[in-house]
Amino acid sequence: DAGITQSPRYKITETGRQVTLMCHQTWSHSYMFWYRQDLGHGLRLIYYSAAADITDKGEVPDGYVVSRSKTENFPLTLESATRSQTSVYFCASKVAGRDTGELFFGEGSRLTVL
Amino acid sequence: GQNIDQPTEMTATEGAIVQINCTYQTSGFNGLFWYQQHAGEAPTFLSYNVLDGLEEKGRFSSFLSRSKGYSYLLLKELQMKDSASYLCAVVDSNYQLIWGAGTKLIIKP
Repeated sequence: DAGITQSPRYKITETGRQVTLMCHQTWSHSYMFWYRQDLGHGLRLIYYSAAADITDKGEVPDGYVVSRSKTENFPLTLESATRSQTSVYFCASKVAGRDTGELFFGEGSRLTVL
Repeated sequence: GQNIDQPTEMTATEGAIVQINCTYQTSGFNGLFWYQQHAGEAPTFLSYNVLDGLEEKGRFSSFLSRSKGYSYLLLKELQMKDSASYLCAVVDSNYQLIWGAGTKLIIKP
């Protein structure tokens, strides 16, 4: 099916472990984003990508790594997970350009770090 | 700093009308979005305003006043399925989205 999908949907890990959240979209959208959502906060941008091999930091990039070797995939890696990274992570995409097109979100990945 | 303010929670009755306000202070303005997010689900697009005035889309309308740094989302003929969080987001001068914390809307029968 076309769309944007995330995996895993739920993940429990321990402090210090590496975790990778996957994001895949079938629309060939140029822009992709990773957000985290925590109670009492708006969505906070972690990293974004304007195209394959182009990534840039968002508001809260520390402790995260991204890559984008193919347009359709944008994995997010927590190199050494901490409890403060317990959150819901949303991947999103949108059509190219500096315009203000709407974002299309994946279903979210709920990560718990013990 | 940049700031988006929305009420944390609102309650309304099925069949009624509710207005959810959003005020913003951002470095520049290139539009304002409203998204709906049901519990445990992803946000979905509702509306986009870049010019002053009211945009109507079925039971939902969104209003913008750039001079006042103010927007509202108006929901008419409320249905139980409208129970959700409503997120306001502003596009700043760098074309970055700044998100409010969201307003949780509870609909009572």
